Amino acid sequence: DAGVIQSPRHEVTEMGQEVTLRCKPISGHDYLFWYRQTMMRGLELLIYFNNNVPIDDSGMPEDRFSAKMPNASFSTLKIQPSEPRDSAVYFCASSFGGSPGEQYFGPGTRLTVT
Amino acid sequence: QQQVKQSPQSLIVQKGGISIINCAYENTAFDYFPWYQQFPGKGPALLIAIRPDVSEKKEGRFTISFNKSAKQFSLHIMDSQPGDSATYFCAATPGGGGNKLTFGTGTQLKVEL
Repeated sequence: DAGVIQSPRHEVTEMGQEVTLRCKPISGHDYLFWYRQTMMRGLELLIYFNNNVPIDDSGMPEDRFSAKMPNASFSTLKIQPSEPRDSAVYFCASSFGGSPGEQYFGPGTRLTVT
Repeated sequence: QQQVKQSPQSLIVQKGGISIINCAYENTAFDYFPWYQQFPGKGPALLIAIRPDVSEKKEGRFTISFNKSAKQFSLHIMDSQPGDSATYFCAATPGGGGNKLTFGTGTQLKVEL
């Protein structure tokens, strides 16, 4: 398996622009997680899905952030409008319900908002 | 109650030495405790994990020690190597918790020659 795939790997955008991050989980995994990592706040869980349904979005910082999972093999995290404080590395991870705690992370998307 | 407290924040160890990272939790519903290793520019990767029914688990040079009564667990890296230099995260998840992990704040380990 190719592992969790994220795109783009790097994104530089101007404040106010819309940003869309993409994730393809490992085939057969029924959980998908979006995290944000910064030096100041560490690794933060933003939202997670089970069988394509959002379960907990309490970590989404504000209404500018939204996430969707239209099918088992694709998810997006959208920021609209983006702000400089959104600059971070965003990770997608997936796991299988039968193996709680074993999450497989993608390589991340480094977002820079100027 | 959902927090996992991790220390130290950073650690420098000489090659061949033992690296020790500690974590503590409050939520007694936690029943699976993994450690993740993250190299610069990469995503975290599962390193080793333990359930509370055992007090120790060893995989190669990596050992988890678990103290259920104290609600503490630690990662020991024996014979530390420069290639072990990375950030280490402890984590915990409750049984039936929907696979959601609560992560510690991370420890930056540097192993010097």
